[in-house]
Amino acid sequence: AQSVTQLDSHVSVSEGTPVLLRCNYSSSYSPSLFWYVQHPNKGLQLLLKYTSAATLVKGINGFEAEFKKSETSFHLTKPSAHMSDAAEYFCVVSDPPTFGRGTSLIVHP
Amino acid sequence: NAGVTQTPKFQVLKTGQSMTLQCAQDMNHEYMSWYRQDPGMGLRLIHYSVGAGITDQGEVPNGYNVSRSTTEDFPLRLLSAAPSQTSVYFCASSPSGGSGYGYTFGSGTRLTVV
Repeated sequence: AQSVTQLDSHVSVSEGTPVLLRCNYSSSYSPSLFWYVQHPNKGLQLLLKYTSAATLVKGINGFEAEFKKSETSFHLTKPSAHMSDAAEYFCVVSDPPTFGRGTSLIVHP
Repeated sequence: NAGVTQTPKFQVLKTGQSMTLQCAQDMNHEYMSWYRQDPGMGLRLIHYSVGAGITDQGEVPNGYNVSRSTTEDFPLRLLSAAPSQTSVYFCASSPSGGSGYGYTFGSGTRLTVV
């Protein structure tokens, strides 16, 4: 069985400072990994995906994530937070897709 | 616009009533799935389908039925609604069940069972 653990339920940053959202996974085979973002009362949007190519994956809106097999991690980062980044973020391992419980990113002005 | 369409957007049911949540996609995706989202729980897989005529259970299938008679449609049926089924439901599709494609999500159906 596979699982995903998002290590923080809430992350609070100031605008312009770096963002780190942590995700660890468990899978019996080489997984595909995704990060999705959900803005309030909206559906989910794909930020980026890892599919066994480059371990550093770049996504939309300046986000990127690094796949570390030895640490079974897939942390999401952004160099400088923007107010519009405030949302819920989900780490997902496939297949079938298994979601983490989500991390709420709060951005202070 | 191509994508995943869910109807209705909002629904209130009385305990014991049945209803069908509709999901349609126009991208010719083989893989479709239903999730429920509850506070602090992330999204949990209810049922999924890897193609027309093929369905399987996910993590929380009890109280829900699905069928897949066409590639485009994947309705979710609540047989006898219970307050525990109050949730936001999302339908998602992907070109195949294989990893790597990511999933396109509908905008969700907010269901309240009273």
